Order: sequence, then C-alpha cells, then structure tokens
Amino acid sequence: SQTIHQWPATLVQPVGSPLSLECTVEGTSNPNLYWYRQAAGRGLQLLFYSVGIGQISSEVPQNLSASRPQDRQFILSSKKLLLSDSGFYLCAWSVNGRTTDTQYFGPGTRLTVL
Amino acid sequence: GDSVTQMEGPVTLSEEAFLTINCTYTATGYPSLFWYVQYPGEGLQLLLKATKADDKGSNKGFEATYRKETTSFHLEKGSVQVSDSAVYFCALSGWGSRTGTASKLTFGTGTRLQVTL
Repeated sequence: SQTIHQWPATLVQPVGSPLSLECTVEGTSNPNLYWYRQAAGRGLQLLFYSVGIGQISSEVPQNLSASRPQDRQFILSSKKLLLSDSGFYLCAWSVNGRTTDTQYFGPGTRLTVL
Repeated sequence: GDSVTQMEGPVTLSEEAFLTINCTYTATGYPSLFWYVQYPGEGLQLLLKATKADDKGSNKGFEATYRKETTSFHLEKGSVQVSDSAVYFCALSGWGSRTGTASKLTFGTGTRLQVTL
C-alpha cells in the first residue's frame, strides 16, 4: 500500500530564516505531487504541483519554491521566511494519468514564523 | 472557473443526531466530487467520492449523492458520534482543471462539525 510522509511535523522559525520541508511517497511510482497551505481557519491553497522529476508548476507567486529531485520526493523551500508564511503545509499525491483524480494527503507540517 | 460552496460552520449536534452538510459546485464538463475529513492537527483523509452523476459515495456511515441537476453533493449521516467531530471539506476535480496528467482539486472552505454528548 502507499504511504506519504512529511517532516518535520512541527517547526518554529524566525522571520528571515530559510525553510526546507520534505515529502516522500512510498509504494507507487511516478506520482503527481502537490504542496498545499492551510492558513488558520481557512481552506486549502494549492501552491505547487509536479507531474515528474524536475517538473514544477507554481500556482501562486510568493517567496516559496518547490523542487522534485527524485521521483517520490517533493521539497518546499524558502530563502527568507515571512510572518505570512505561517500555516499548515500539506503534501499530497495522486496517480499519474488516472481519471478519478483522488489526491491522498500526508500528515502535514505546522509552521510558525515568529 | 471551478468553484465549491459549502455551508458555513460550525455545526453543533448532539450525539445520534442526523447530519447534513450542504455542498454545491460550479464546473464545466463532468467533475469528480469528493468529501475529505480533517481531524484536529492532522492531514486530510478521503472520506468518500463519486465520479459520475447519480453515483452515491459512502464510507463509515456517511453518504453523498452526485446530483448533476442541482450541482450538489451534500454529505449526510444518520447518527453522528462524538468521534465524528472534525472539519469536512467538499472538493471537485474538473476537466477544466487538468494540466498534462495532473489534476487540481478545488476545495470548499470547510465546515467544522462538533458533536456533543
């Protein structure tokens, strides 16, 4: 069966510091991968998605970036965090090319920028 | 573009009460529809889905029927439990939201359900 991992689970960072969040998927090959952000009490905002290694699509212009160095690894980064980057970051995967389009989510990383 | 509208929360019910959370959508073509649930401090879990008109998704006592004529996908449960307390998200994946082989889910804003004894 497939599993999706995210780490760290919780992170407190000062404004202006760098960020690296990691997501890995097990039990499947060539998945589509997604990064979402959920601000407190809000819905989900799609930040990035990837259909393959090195292929990143950005949905929202901001000071975040994403990379996919390996087939089942998706990394969210920032060079300098802002207060507004605080939130709950969720990684998700879906089967590439399937029409049912179900996305499966990881446990999330709660980021607090102080 | 695609959009999902959910009823505002929070919804507070007593245990064993009947639950309905309304969800309506706007999309081109024939989207797939989903309900996800998020327990406190956790990620989203797929609760149920339907991929074509008149399909009924069901799981853990929850049900939702894909109604194309009313563009709705309301979530129902006959008897809620305290353990059902969570935030519920309605979502769609529409033909208009595809890029390459990726799909993009459009989420509603979520409805918080609180069940009390």
